[in-house]
Amino acid sequence: GAVVSQHPSWVICKSGTSVKIECRSLDFQATTMFWYRQFPKQSLMLMATSNEGSKATYEQGVEKDKFLINHASLTLSTLTVTSAHPEDSSFYICSAFSGTFSGRNEQFFGPGTRLTVL
Amino acid sequence: SQKIEQNSEALNIQEGKTATLTCNYTNYSPAYLQWYRQDPGRGPVFLLLIRENEKEKRKERLKVTFDTTLKQSLFHITASQPADSATYLCALGGMDSSYKLIFGSGTRLLVRP
Repeated sequence: GAVVSQHPSWVICKSGTSVKIECRSLDFQATTMFWYRQFPKQSLMLMATSNEGSKATYEQGVEKDKFLINHASLTLSTLTVTSAHPEDSSFYICSAFSGTFSGRNEQFFGPGTRLTVL
Repeated sequence: SQKIEQNSEALNIQEGKTATLTCNYTNYSPAYLQWYRQDPGRGPVFLLLIRENEKEKRKERLKVTFDTTLKQSLFHITASQPADSATYLCALGGMDSSYKLIFGSGTRLLVRP
């Protein structure tokens, strides 16, 4: 089956620092990757859509200069939270999509990264 | 305004019974709807997809219905087991040329042994 990994699984950082989260599709090529944020007991909120080799498309209200997304290859996308603040503390989840892999409109999700900003 | 609503309160049922979860939406026109399972501290896991021209889909103990007139999907788990306890999310997709999904807030299911 399709496996998506995220690294790190959790991170604690000081306010003002930047944090990079990696999302990898391990056994398939992902034409598109998505980044979500989830606060406790709330839904997954789509932050941006990332296509390999092109600029990410951000959802309304998401600061592209604060949440830098790079999709350098068909198996790797990174999210960098720049100048992190305590309100950025959340659970960040990526998903990968490849219509050719499963033939369905199914997204394969990573295990998530818990970010805590002190 | 656009909304996706799932029961915010936890659904608590006895093992062996059928669990029925509801997903209602307004001001969306999804081409398909998906259901995911999410365990605490983990990413969602895909369960089922149903398209707008399909009324019902089954997979083992799972059944999903999709009524585009009512703008509602029902998710059933028959012969529920304690291992089915998790949060279940519905997600709408195919509303534009992208493959992005819009998620509901989820319903927590607790199956008592």
